[in-house]
Amino acid sequence: DQQVKQNSPSLSVQEGRISILNCDYTNSMFDYFLWYKKYPAEGPTFLISISSIKDKNEDGRFTVFLNKSAKHLSLHIVPSQPGDSAVYFCAASALGSGGYNKLIFGAGTRLAVHP
Amino acid sequence: NAGVMQNPRHLVRRRGQEARLRCSPMKGHSHVYWYRQLPEEGLKFMVYLQKENIIDESGMPKERFSAEFPKEGPSILRIQQVVRGDSAAYFCASSRDRNTDTQYFGPGTRLTVL
Repeated sequence: DQQVKQNSPSLSVQEGRISILNCDYTNSMFDYFLWYKKYPAEGPTFLISISSIKDKNEDGRFTVFLNKSAKHLSLHIVPSQPGDSAVYFCAASALGSGGYNKLIFGAGTRLAVHP
Repeated sequence: NAGVMQNPRHLVRRRGQEARLRCSPMKGHSHVYWYRQLPEEGLKFMVYLQKENIIDESGMPKERFSAEFPKEGPSILRIQQVVRGDSAAYFCASSRDRNTDTQYFGPGTRLTVL
């Protein structure tokens, strides 16, 4: 069962514009969400995270929004740059349930930023 | 400051052989996680280990797969009698403690079974 879904396998955006990557989850026990970026032949690199007690977290050009009622989160990249072209993975964990940081990943969205 | 190290980066095995994948966590990290990524899919959790202990192996196939994280040395993911379906990228991640919010990933080992 896919507890974390990224329904758009790919996204193409013009340089300088906003990139919006979406993620939906089904497990209401998830209380921590992360975005990772992955280049080909490399491991995932941590980008930004958000706790379920917040609805927004911002770090430079990257902002993550969480809508708990809709079980939906999104990653905004503004402005988009060609170096942002990569596969972006959404991941979730249930830290607060007495568990540990076992990450459940979405299938990823391939972002292409073109000039 | 070295990040998570994995070796080898690429491993080719014939069906029936054994594959050994190694992972050295970041300095100061004592928690190791293994994930597998099949083509066009996300990463799937396999096993979580602390030093000398397997905490959760719920994502690991019951047959042929095993993992360890000895007191000294790297964590090892071992696949016995490999089959073509084992071909994938295997990633190791580490964290400082059990409830740390961020896992840091290594570059992965790409296993190809001929």
